[in-house]
Amino acid sequence: AQSVTQPDIHITVSEGASLELRCNYSYGATPYLFWYVQSPGQGLQLLLKYFSGDTLVQGIKGFEAEFKRSQSSFNLRKPSVHWSDAAEYFCAVGAQGGSEKLVFGKGTKLTVNP
Amino acid sequence: SAVISQKPSRDICQRGTSLTIQCQVDSQVTMMFWYRQQPGQSLTLIATANQGSEATYESGFVIDKFPISRPNLTFSTLTVSNMSPEDSSIYLCSGRQGGMNTEAFFGQGTRLTVV
Repeated sequence: AQSVTQPDIHITVSEGASLELRCNYSYGATPYLFWYVQSPGQGLQLLLKYFSGDTLVQGIKGFEAEFKRSQSSFNLRKPSVHWSDAAEYFCAVGAQGGSEKLVFGKGTKLTVNP
Repeated sequence: SAVISQKPSRDICQRGTSLTIQCQVDSQVTMMFWYRQQPGQSLTLIATANQGSEATYESGFVIDKFPISRPNLTFSTLTVSNMSPEDSSIYLCSGRQGGMNTEAFFGQGTRLTVV
C-alpha cells in the first residue's frame, strides 16, 4: 500500500531564511504527489502538485517542489520564508488501484521566528 | 478549483448525542470524501461518499457510527453518532473532480468537542 513519510514533525526557521520540507513516498507506480498547507483553524489549501513532466514544480506563494524518483522524494522548498508561512504542511500521494483517495503524511509544523 | 462550504465550523456537544456536518460544493464534483484530523495528527480518511449509494468506509470506520449521505453531486453530510470524548476532532470534507491527475480541495473543517 502507498504511504507518505514526513520525517520532520516541527521545523523552526528565521524569517528570510530558506526552507526545505522533506517528503518521501512509497508507491508502486508513477505517483501523483501534492503539497497542502493548513493554517490554524483552516482547511487545507493546495500549494502545488506533480503528475508528470518537469520534475521541478512551481506552486503558489513562492513554493516549489522537486520530484526525485531515484530517492522517492518530493521535497518542498522556498528560498525566503515569510512570517505568514507559519502553518502545518502536508505531503500527499494519490492512491493505487483506481481509487481516488489521497494518502497524507503526518505533517510538518513550521514556525517562523522574526 | 471548486469551493466547499462546510458547516458548522465548530460545535460543542454532549456525549451520547449526534451531530450532522454538511458540505455544499459550488459545482458538481465526481468524488467527495470525509476525513478526520485528531489533535496534532494528520488526516485519516473516514469514507468516500458515493452519490446515490452507500458510502465506502475505510478500515476502522463503520456506517452506524458515521452515517454519510450524498444525494447529489454537490452535497454531502456526515453524522457523528452517539458521540464520546474520543470523537473530538476536526472533520473535513473534500472534493475531487475525478481522475488520478486532479487535486483534492477541502472545506474549512468542523472542530468538534465532545464533553
